[in-house]
Amino acid sequence: AQSVTQLGSHVSVSEGALVLLRCNYSSSVPPYLFWYVQYPNQGLQLLLKYTTGATLVKGINGFEAEFKKSETSFHLTKPSAHMSDAAEYFCAVSPNFGNEKLTFGTGTRLTIIP
Amino acid sequence: GAGVSQSPSNKVTEKGKDVELRCDPISGHTALYWYRQSLGQGLEFLIYFQGNSAPDKSGLPSDRFSAERTGGSVSTLTIQRTQQEDSAVYLCASSELPGQRETQYFGPGTRLLVL
Repeated sequence: AQSVTQLGSHVSVSEGALVLLRCNYSSSVPPYLFWYVQYPNQGLQLLLKYTTGATLVKGINGFEAEFKKSETSFHLTKPSAHMSDAAEYFCAVSPNFGNEKLTFGTGTRLTIIP
Repeated sequence: GAGVSQSPSNKVTEKGKDVELRCDPISGHTALYWYRQSLGQGLEFLIYFQGNSAPDKSGLPSDRFSAERTGGSVSTLTIQRTQQEDSAVYLCASSELPGQRETQYFGPGTRLLVL
């Protein structure tokens, strides 16, 4: 069984400030972890994913996330927010074997303050 | 190349009617997924097609929901006797290969409103 918790359904940051979106997961087996972004009226787009190897993963648009097994976390960060980052962000987990599917969190809506 | 497309983009229907939602995956993608995104909820997995294997229907919420994938390409999600709680955005995704580590590419969704 697996689950994802995204702390904060809404996050607001000022343009140029650090973006930190939190994701904690629960998985009985080693996980694959994903962050997706959904812009208004668009489908989800993969930002980055962790499968194996380096625990610090870099994605598109300057985002990165670090897999911390001891904290069961996969928080998403970006050093400097841009207006175009305003969107909804979803964290997702799947086991690294077997047939279970992606389990998504409930999402965090990011607002950028000019 | 073209991404995943879905039609219609919006659908309004009356309670009790049947609806069909269509998904055209990226050409050559062997795996296809349907998800439901309800207001205030995360994405809920519905059904998964992998090549010619029997689909994984474990996420379908009731027997009013069904889906098929013809010729390993286009998929149709059918909801019979719609209820108001079926109102949601229905998202389709495809991946080149099956498996959890594969990136899923999502369509824009069909927004369903049941009155």
